[in-house]
Amino acid sequence: QKEVEQDPGPLSVPEGAIVSLNCTYSNSAFQYFMWYRQYSRKGPELLMYTYSSGNKEDGRFTAQVDKSSKYISLFIRDSQPSDSATYLCAMRRGSYIPTFGRGTSLIVHP
Amino acid sequence: NAGVMQNPRHLVRRRGQEARLRCSPMKGHSHVYWYRQLPEEGLKFMVYLQKENIIDESGMPKERFSAEFPKEGPSILRIQQVVRGDSAAYFCASSPGGRSYEQYFGPGTRLTVT
Repeated sequence: QKEVEQDPGPLSVPEGAIVSLNCTYSNSAFQYFMWYRQYSRKGPELLMYTYSSGNKEDGRFTAQVDKSSKYISLFIRDSQPSDSATYLCAMRRGSYIPTFGRGTSLIVHP
Repeated sequence: NAGVMQNPRHLVRRRGQEARLRCSPMKGHSHVYWYRQLPEEGLKFMVYLQKENIIDESGMPKERFSAEFPKEGPSILRIQQVVRGDSAAYFCASSPGGRSYEQYFGPGTRLTVT
């Protein structure tokens, strides 16, 4: 079993939909949880960074962490075609190197 | 542009040649990480460096690969005697260190071995 599992998709939604992207993990020591967005042939861009359980909101994006279930989510409200990208989850414990999921490809069609 | 810079953006090498990838971290950042990304795969950690020190190289193959981050100048990832399996996108990330470990990525170098 991989430490971090993420469905590669693709996930295709119409413009304006609420998107839910998810990752599960097996290492209960993970404390920090990140979401990155990666456009085709570009570097990953840090979107959200959370510590421990709970929710964090930034504009149309909400990151949610449920440590009891070892499950994290990224919600995108009012999705736009420009949100079409690959979304990578990442997590780490303390100062250790983060472990990345393989990414979910999202397509938002007009 | 105060972001992480990588060059070259594209690099073509024949089998057996050497590849040198460069990374200039964000201003004020003293920690550099190198990752490799293959199609349909996630980011795989290779090496973590601070100025003049390799902190963690557990993800880097023992042979043919080396990395450095000198006191002055960019971090360098060096691949000797490249093989076709080295073809991938190589990303560099930097972080400020201290109590902050948020990583900011560069645009990547796409290495093609022919």
